[in-house]
Amino acid sequence: GENVEQHPSTLSVQEGDSAVIKCTYSDSASNYFPWYKQELGKRPQLIIDIRSNVGEKKDQRIAVTLNKTAKHFSLHITETQPEDSAVYFCAAVRSQGNLIFGKGTKLSVKP
Amino acid sequence: EAQVTQNPRYLITVTGKKLTVTCSQNMNHEYMSWYRQDPGLGLRQIYYSMNVEVTDKGDVPEGYKVSRKEKRNFPLILESPSPNQTSLYFCASSTDRVLYEQYFGPGTRLTVT
Repeated sequence: GENVEQHPSTLSVQEGDSAVIKCTYSDSASNYFPWYKQELGKRPQLIIDIRSNVGEKKDQRIAVTLNKTAKHFSLHITETQPEDSAVYFCAAVRSQGNLIFGKGTKLSVKP
Repeated sequence: EAQVTQNPRYLITVTGKKLTVTCSQNMNHEYMSWYRQDPGLGLRQIYYSMNVEVTDKGDVPEGYKVSRKEKRNFPLILESPSPNQTSLYFCASSTDRVLYEQYFGPGTRLTVT
């Protein structure tokens, strides 16, 4: 069935380094790809999203790239800070109109 | 303040005792959904609703029921809870369609013994 694969499941970086999280999707009709951040004990919150008509979107230190041909998209965080430590989820819209999420990446930023 | 609320936030119950988790949003959103979050499995959708009186199964609907009689409310019903339904549950809503930001509730931690 349709799914979203997310890698890596855990990621540890030094403060100031970059972090990259990658997701692949199976439904070629998907046209919307959001990323959510969930801090410990809190609810998921949208940090950035991209639609299929663009290849890249940036918001300060966060960027998302999309390769529709290869059916993968990635989250890039530059100049990481301790407050970036969280679980990050990618997601894709299915043909029936609902979201399917990846299993999450736990990012740890060490001071 | 625009928000999604869930009640209760924490619940410990016993196998077979029917329970309802309420979800309410004050943003006039048409789309609402329920997810469960388990370690290593991410967020899995249980049910979703595109509008009043319209509900559809997500990826893990077994053992759950929902209803959407009013736009603002989307309760999750466990008719006969079992230990494998022990989980963290999130309700979410968004405007118009799912192609917009999902606003999540604070979560409900359910333990079934």
